[in-house]
Amino acid sequence: DAGVIQSPRHEVTEMGQEVTLRCKPISGHDYLFWYRQTMMRGLELLIYFNNNVPIDDSGMPEDRFSAKMPNASFSTLKIQPSEPRDSAVYFCASSLPGSTEAFFGQGTRLTVV
Amino acid sequence: DQQVKQNSPSLSVQEGRISILNCDYTNSMFDYFLWYKKYPAEGPTFLISISSIKDKNEDGRFTVFLNKSAKHLSLHIVPSQPGDSAVYFCAASNTGNQFYFGTGTSLTVIP
Repeated sequence: DAGVIQSPRHEVTEMGQEVTLRCKPISGHDYLFWYRQTMMRGLELLIYFNNNVPIDDSGMPEDRFSAKMPNASFSTLKIQPSEPRDSAVYFCASSLPGSTEAFFGQGTRLTVV
Repeated sequence: DQQVKQNSPSLSVQEGRISILNCDYTNSMFDYFLWYKKYPAEGPTFLISISSIKDKNEDGRFTVFLNKSAKHLSLHIVPSQPGDSAVYFCAASNTGNQFYFGTGTSLTVIP
């Protein structure tokens, strides 16, 4: 398996624009996580899914953030409208049920100017 | 509020010496702890873990120690090698699938 695949690797956008980050988890992994990495807060859990169903979205910072998982092999994280303070690296991770090890993608570096 | 804290943003160690990375947590319900390693432009990768029923877990050069009464864990790397230079994240879980991460410690091993 190629691992967790995220796209794009880099995204530069203007404030106010919509941004969509994409993730393909490892096949067979039932859990999918979206994290945001910043210097101040490290890796923050934004939301996670189990079998395509959102379980906990308490980490989503604002209503401007939304995440979907329409099927077992694809998830999106959308920011609308984007703001400069959303600039960060966003990671997607997946894991097997009952496993304590999450496998991370390479991340998407988002810059909002 | 940060439930997992890594108070040292950076650490430098000479090659061959011991590296000790520290982590504190606030939630006494956490029952599983992990360390992840992250190289630049890559995602974090799992390094080592420990269950709350243990106080030590060793894997080659890497050993994790857990002190539940102090809500503290540490990662020891001995001997340190230049290839160990990376950012190390401590993480904790109380459900088995939801992980809380610290802010990371950047380790530099000097040849």
